[in-house]
Amino acid sequence: NAGVTQTPKFQVLKTGQSMTLQCAQDMNHEYMSWYRQDPGMGLRLIHYSVGAGITDQGEVPNGYNVSRSTTEDFPLRLLSAAPSQTSVYFCASSYTGGRGNSPLHFGNGTRLTVT
Amino acid sequence: GQQVMQIPQYQHVQEGEDFTTYCNSSTTLSNIQWYKQRPGGHPVFLIQLVKSGEVKKQKRLTFQFGEAKKNSSLHITATQTTDVGTYFCAGPTSSASKIIFGSGTRLSIRP
Repeated sequence: NAGVTQTPKFQVLKTGQSMTLQCAQDMNHEYMSWYRQDPGMGLRLIHYSVGAGITDQGEVPNGYNVSRSTTEDFPLRLLSAAPSQTSVYFCASSYTGGRGNSPLHFGNGTRLTVT
Repeated sequence: GQQVMQIPQYQHVQEGEDFTTYCNSSTTLSNIQWYKQRPGGHPVFLIQLVKSGEVKKQKRLTFQFGEAKKNSSLHITATQTTDVGTYFCAGPTSSASKIIFGSGTRLSIRP
């Protein structure tokens, strides 16, 4: 099994550009989520989904959009990149999310720099 | 909103010394999970605690869940260089729909 696959691994954007970070999992997990990691800030939840067709905001959703058209995929869209969005982004999935006891499986991360 | 705090933010120890990180939630948690992230890597699940007062051990690591289910700790006995990394606690929000993380404790070790 591939687990959670994130692409790209690295990305450099100019301010104002848009892009989509891809996340796919092959474990039939219902719950998928996006976190950003900044030095000293831990992992902050951007958006999450408890199943196909259902998405909701996390702690820091502004500037990001998500969709969940299939169980497997959960792309994160940056509408108009800003330097404040420079960060490492992790996608994570689990069977049940906060409603159960299943652990999160993380992708390898995308390191994004906005200039 | 609900918050999960971790202390200390950093810990630098001599190899062989013990290490402890503490996690505190502003609300009661149904369960708490611990993750380890090696430098340059992604968080990896270590363990989950569910019951009030629960204590679990993994070799040199001891995990505790507080009686009120609002705090937790991770203790490493006799640290080794392989323990280097950032340790995170995480728990579901009160609505149980999503999982939020503490700010993490970064452990570095002098050989």
